[in-house]
Amino acid sequence: DAGVTQSPTHLIKTRGQQVTLRCSPKSGHDTVSWYQQALGQGPQFIFQYYEEEERQRGNFPDRFSGHQFPNYSSELNVNALLLGDSALYLCASTSRSAVYPGELFFGEGSRLTVL
Amino acid sequence: GENVEQHPSTLSVQEGDSAVIKCTYSDSASNYFPWYKQELGKGPQLIIDIRSNVGEKKDQRIAVTLNKTAKHFSLHITETQPEDSAVYFCAARIAAGNKLTFGGGTRVLVKP
Repeated sequence: DAGVTQSPTHLIKTRGQQVTLRCSPKSGHDTVSWYQQALGQGPQFIFQYYEEEERQRGNFPDRFSGHQFPNYSSELNVNALLLGDSALYLCASTSRSAVYPGELFFGEGSRLTVL
Repeated sequence: GENVEQHPSTLSVQEGDSAVIKCTYSDSASNYFPWYKQELGKGPQLIIDIRSNVGEKKDQRIAVTLNKTAKHFSLHITETQPEDSAVYFCAARIAAGNKLTFGGGTRVLVKP
């Protein structure tokens, strides 16, 4: 049973560029959330997607956007990159119909470095 | 919004000793409290969780306690082993399907 998979694992961009990160949820999961984890800190919620719509959003600017596809996979897009966007971006999935709804399973993350 | 504070930020224990990490939360509506272990270069892994209708939960060497009145919960690791060395995060959530709010993390080092 494949867990949450993310790509790419590492990438380097320069300020002002745009980046797209990808996530495939755990088999059987229909809800995908994205978190940003700065070095030495806990993950911060960016947004959550369910049924191809953004359901919740954290305190992140509009430069951060996302998408969910019919197969439940998801993308995170960040425009006009800033140095402060350097972080580990984590994708987490869950199932709204699970016996214990809301148990989040995380991927290994995509480490973004902005120069 | 919800705020979760975690202490200590670092914890060094001798192999075989116990480790305790404490968290407090601000929103009394929170009802789900998971703990995650994150090893270097990896994503957080759920190790145990507790819901607000339970005061204590145990899984082998790991236990979690919840005090809703005081709005704090704790992780207890007994008989620590070197492989327990990692960063541990507590989190809180208000409702199913809602976001998790994480604490700042505790770096645990188990010395052989």
